[in-house]
Amino acid sequence: SQQGEEDPQALSIQEGENATMNCSYKTSINNLQWYRQNSGRGLVHLILIRSNEREKHSGRLRVTLDTSKKSSSLLITASRAADTASYFCATAGIGGGADGLTFGKGTHLIIQP
Amino acid sequence: DTGVSQNPRHKITKRGQNVTFRCDPISEHNRLYWYRQTLGQGPEFLTYFQNEAQLEKSRLLSDRFSAERPKGSFSTLEIQRTEQGDSAMYLCASRVRGRTTGELFFGEGSRLTVL
Repeated sequence: SQQGEEDPQALSIQEGENATMNCSYKTSINNLQWYRQNSGRGLVHLILIRSNEREKHSGRLRVTLDTSKKSSSLLITASRAADTASYFCATAGIGGGADGLTFGKGTHLIIQP
Repeated sequence: DTGVSQNPRHKITKRGQNVTFRCDPISEHNRLYWYRQTLGQGPEFLTYFQNEAQLEKSRLLSDRFSAERPKGSFSTLEIQRTEQGDSAMYLCASRVRGRTTGELFFGEGSRLTVL
């Protein structure tokens, strides 16, 4: 089963604009991670935010986490054509359940040149 | 290349045939995971290993599926008597053991098409 839901399911913007994707999840977490997947390829880790953190930055990426609302957002600033990909949030639970990560369904991002 | 390696990348088979996928994780990673991903969905957990021990299996892993990691290095995922519903991308990932689940390193996946 999938833990999270990304919103929107698909997003198309112009190069240079900012892209924001949201993720909601259901159970308590230890951390939340974002991954990128180019078409037909494996997933690449982008950023990890722990449950006691509220915001984290990495290059053009900004992630926020609101554990009271069980939600996270990923902001990509100054988007580039190469950012075109699917983006997934994934949660690491607290005890019990499967070790590893539970993924959402993803947001498909298209950057128009 | 010291990343996670999966073979074959693509496999087309007829319904009822058996298929086997191989995953070579990053050498110092002792945890290894298998996920399945269907079109338009996120990866779904199948099973994971700590060294050679298979510690957890998902309900998705029916009796036709078996995974091994005999010497705690590479792993195989075998699907017997394949069905069309088994068509998916099978992803392998690995990580270093830790108290919490940190970054997973994924391979490029093995895409299975069952005709």
